Amino acid sequence: GAGVSQTPSNKVTEKGKYVELRCDPISGHTALYWYRQSLGQGPEFLIYFQGTGAADDSGLPNDRFFAVRPEGSVSTLKIQRTERGDSAVYLCASSLGVNSAETQYFGPGTRLLVL
Amino acid sequence: DAKTTQPPSMDCAEGRAANLPCNHSTISGNEYVYWYRQIHSQGPQYIIHGLKNNETNEMASLIITEDRKSSTLILPHATLRDTAVYYCIVRGHYGGSQGNLIFGKGTKLSVKP
Repeated sequence: GAGVSQTPSNKVTEKGKYVELRCDPISGHTALYWYRQSLGQGPEFLIYFQGTGAADDSGLPNDRFFAVRPEGSVSTLKIQRTERGDSAVYLCASSLGVNSAETQYFGPGTRLLVL
Repeated sequence: DAKTTQPPSMDCAEGRAANLPCNHSTISGNEYVYWYRQIHSQGPQYIIHGLKNNETNEMASLIITEDRKSSTLILPHATLRDTAVYYCIVRGHYGGSQGNLIFGKGTKLSVKP
């Protein structure tokens, strides 16, 4: 079946601009996670959703970052007033549920470059 | 912080078994050991996970020690396409989080012809 998809695959923007990154989870998966990966580092957790609600947003670096999942499927990560330090690969993952036995499956990521 | 320790890099000859170690001495009884790998410029790929028993699937085998303080991922016949960064992750409940993955730096496996 179809895996997790993310669009766009690459995004170049200028400092100060607003960007939206989209994630389409695997059909039927209720949990959706966002991670960010800087060059040479492992992915770092940002936020996760159980259904429509953000169950844990403790990884969001500041209030310029926001994510939504209005219908419990597709999610959008929104970054306001982008900074050069926001440049990274943004990864989305989904799983059937949130317990530890439920495997998270990752998308290919969106590579964001802020000039 | 990641609850696992892995060697930063390893080499393996093509066709031979690759054995990737992971230490997780502070693992709790309800925490799973997960392995993912990441090939350059791709998202992490799930490989295998286990709780107490050894596990095997079409990609790899996972051997967990009886005290659960360490584990080994085994790729039985490594190919050049197995060159990647391999992440060992202990997954459970951390405070208010519900099992989000905490990645360390992983092991860079280089399979050589």
